[in-house]
Amino acid sequence: AQSVAQPEDQVNVAEGNPLTVKCTYSVSGNPYLFWYVQYPNRGLQFLLKYITGDNLVKGSYGFEAEFNKSQTSFHLKKPSALVSDSALYFCAVRGNGQNFVFGPGTRLSVLP
Amino acid sequence: DTAVSQTPKYLVTQMGNDKSIKCEQNLGHDTMYWYKQDSKKFLKIMFSYNNKELIINETVPNRFSPKSPDKAHLNLHINSLELGDSAVYFCASSPWGGAYEQYFGPGTRLTVT
Repeated sequence: AQSVAQPEDQVNVAEGNPLTVKCTYSVSGNPYLFWYVQYPNRGLQFLLKYITGDNLVKGSYGFEAEFNKSQTSFHLKKPSALVSDSALYFCAVRGNGQNFVFGPGTRLSVLP
Repeated sequence: DTAVSQTPKYLVTQMGNDKSIKCEQNLGHDTMYWYKQDSKKFLKIMFSYNNKELIINETVPNRFSPKSPDKAHLNLHINSLELGDSAVYFCASSPWGGAYEQYFGPGTRLTVT
């Protein structure tokens, strides 16, 4: 069965510092991996995805993520955090079939 | 020109009532989904339709019935509402195929009293 873990409920980082939001997954076959962001009282917005190819993928708003097959991880990163990045971040995986499975979410707080 | 829209945005109702939530997408996608987000923000897929055909039906009480009149619309009807149905319900759409991301609507906050 597919599963996604986001080991940190909350990540706090100072503005201007690099940020990392962690994600590990379990899926049979090759994974399709996604990151979404949710701002308060809004729907989820797509940030980036890994399908195949280069392990480092770049997405919206300066975010990037690194796929690591041996560690089954897909951590989200940004070199310099902004206060406006504060939101809830979801990692998702899609393996066999059409089911998206979402992680439990990580709340990112960027402190001024 | 909203991509995925839902109505209503807020829904407050009493236990035992029947209610519907509507979803429309203008992205030309073949696949649409309903998700439930609980108070702890966990997101769980409920249903998925591809070209009006049900393809995913997770373990959801049969009080929940999706209906897709055409591939641009996916409505959710809930019978005999219970307190535990209180949540935010999100509609989403995507092209058919595993490599595609989903586009989410703004959500409908359902409160059952």
